Amino acid sequence: DQQVKQNSPSLSVQEGRISILNCDYTNSMFDYFLWYKKYPAEGPTFLISISSIKDKNEDGRFTVFLNKSAKHLSLHIVPSQPGDSAVYFCAASGSGTSYGKLTFGQGTILTVHP
Amino acid sequence: DTGVSQDPRHKITKRGQNVTFRCDPISEHNRLYWYRQTLGQGPEFLTYFQNEAQLEKSRLLSDRFSAERPKGSFSTLEIQRTEQGDSAMYLCASTIAGSYNEQFFGPGTRLTVL
Repeated sequence: DQQVKQNSPSLSVQEGRISILNCDYTNSMFDYFLWYKKYPAEGPTFLISISSIKDKNEDGRFTVFLNKSAKHLSLHIVPSQPGDSAVYFCAASGSGTSYGKLTFGQGTILTVHP
Repeated sequence: DTGVSQDPRHKITKRGQNVTFRCDPISEHNRLYWYRQTLGQGPEFLTYFQNEAQLEKSRLLSDRFSAERPKGSFSTLEIQRTEQGDSAMYLCASTIAGSYNEQFFGPGTRLTVL
């Protein structure tokens, strides 16, 4: 039962253009969402998050959008840089006993070409 | 380096052998998580500790798996009678009270069971 899904295994974009990574979830109890970035031979690194009370959160080149009615979130990277090439994981968490227990998607491999 | 560290980074073992992994979290972090990641998938939650107390175990964690955090600092994950299906990357993460969703991951231990 995949509660968090990233349906695009890979994405390729040109340097300077926008990268849009998508994520869908099925569990209505999720109320906090995160994006992690992972380089080879390293553990995932926290990138940006959003609470379910918001529909947008921005941090520099990274913006996360949340559409609760569609149970969909997306990560926009503008402008994309070659150093952004990595695997991006979407993750979700609930509250109460589920607080801090992250459920991850399968990941999307982003390649940014110079 | 004050990040999360894991030892060993790689472990190759024969089916039926026992293996133990160690995780050293960031020193002031009171929560420690273990995840397992298989090829093409995102990390899957296994268990977590708050200080020395193990608060939850996933149903993925069979009786052959045991985890400890004896003094609320480092943690060990032991797998008894390893099976080929145990081959995966085992990730440790730590975090601090009030920010349980934003977890800091170690580089992982890659287990290969022959």
